[in-house]
Amino acid sequence: RKEVEQDPGPFNVPEGATVAFNCTYSNSASQSFFWYRQDCRKEPKLLMSVYSSGNEDGRFTAQLNRASQYISLLIRDSKLSDSATYLCVPYPHTGGFKTIFGAGTRPFVKA
Amino acid sequence: SAVISQKPSRDICQRGTSLTIQCQVDSQVTMMFWYRQQPGQSLTLIATANQGSEATYESGFVIDKFPISRPNLTFSTLTVSNMSPEDSSIYLCSVDKPENTEAFFGQGTRLTVV
Repeated sequence: RKEVEQDPGPFNVPEGATVAFNCTYSNSASQSFFWYRQDCRKEPKLLMSVYSSGNEDGRFTAQLNRASQYISLLIRDSKLSDSATYLCVPYPHTGGFKTIFGAGTRPFVKA
Repeated sequence: SAVISQKPSRDICQRGTSLTIQCQVDSQVTMMFWYRQQPGQSLTLIATANQGSEATYESGFVIDKFPISRPNLTFSTLTVSNMSPEDSSIYLCSVDKPENTEAFFGQGTRLTVV
């Protein structure tokens, strides 16, 4: 099993819809969880951090399920500008204190 | 936050040659990281660069192919040696801020080997 697994999609999302996608992780020692956003031809940037059960920031909600070892990202009222790659990072990694990314999930929001 | 200046932003190189990528950080950091992102793929960690010691390479990456320098706490270089078309990729440097483990990235180097 990969340490971080994401369904890469792409997912076609109608504008205004709510979309959620999951990231599963295998290292039960991971304490912090991050969602990064990467726009086309740009570097990744931090979207949200999750240290306990969840976090909410505007239209974005991240939830952590430690028992099942997954984190989810929910986007409400999807905008065209939400089309990007969303990368999941559980931290630390089994190999130490380094940032290892999942494969990324690519929602494509269409009008 | 951390501001990272990475250069060159892009280059087209002949096979068999080498390219050195530079990253300058606006503050002192203990560890710097180098990633490769191939077309349509996620980021893959190449190595961790520590000041004063040899870099630590991930599985599948070796020092002869990707030598790294880390002369001080604000600067690092990655060299892609003896390039082949398979090395065409985006290379990114990154640092973590220990207080919250957020990763910050340079703007990336888009390398094309012909």
